[in-house]
Amino acid sequence: ILNVEQSPQSLHVQEGDSTNFTCSFPSSNFYALHWYRWETAKSPEALFVMTLNGDEKKKGRISATLNTKEGYSYLYIKGSQPEDSATYLCAFSYNTDKLIFGTGTRLQVFP
Amino acid sequence: EPEVTQTPSHQVTQMGQEVILRCVPISNHLYFYWYRQILGQKVEFLVSFYNNEISEKSEIFDDQFSVERPDGSNFTLKIRSTKLEDSAMYFCASSDRGLSNQPQHFGDGTRLSIL
Repeated sequence: ILNVEQSPQSLHVQEGDSTNFTCSFPSSNFYALHWYRWETAKSPEALFVMTLNGDEKKKGRISATLNTKEGYSYLYIKGSQPEDSATYLCAFSYNTDKLIFGTGTRLQVFP
Repeated sequence: EPEVTQTPSHQVTQMGQEVILRCVPISNHLYFYWYRQILGQKVEFLVSFYNNEISEKSEIFDDQFSVERPDGSNFTLKIRSTKLEDSAMYFCASSDRGLSNQPQHFGDGTRLSIL
C-alpha cells in the first residue's frame, strides 16, 4: 500500500514566525509531488507540482523542496501571516494521474 | 480565474436512496476526477475519467458508483443505493492534460450526509 505521511498534524505559530512541515512518500516509482493549500469551506488550491530530485519552487513567502531519493518534501512559510492559516496537503503520484494524499498539516497563525 | 463548481454544497439523503452529485469542470479541461474525504481521514481517490470513459478507479468505486458526462459541461457522480459509510465530503477536480505533473483543480466539495 502506497502511503503518504505528513508531519506535524497541526502547528500553531505567531505572526511573523517562519515555519516548515514535512511530507514523506514512497521513493520508488515516483512521478510527481503536489502541494495544496486548503482553507476551510473552500476548494484545495494547487501551490506546487514538483517532479525532479532537488527541485525547489517558490510562490511569494512559500517555498518547497523535493528529495525523491529519500522520499520527502519540505514546505516552508517565511514570516507567517494570519491569512496563511489553512491545511496544507501533499499528494503523490506514481505511474498515473491519480493523487495519493497525506493527512495534511493544519497551520494556525495567531496575530 | 476559471474554477470548478460543485452542486449542491450539502446533500442529506436517507440510506438506500440514490444521490447524484454534480460538477462543472473548467471549460477547456478534458480530464476529470472524483475524490472524497470521510471525516477525520485522508482525501482518497475514487475515479478518473477521460474521453467519456473511466481511466482508473479505486477499490471504493464499486458497482454502486457511476460517473457520467451527460453533456458538454457537467460531470456527475451517482451513488445508486447509499450506505451510512458513504457520508463524506466529495470533491470533483479537473485538469487540462491529465499528466501526473499537472495540477488538478478542485471544486469546493459537496458534503454528503446519509441518515
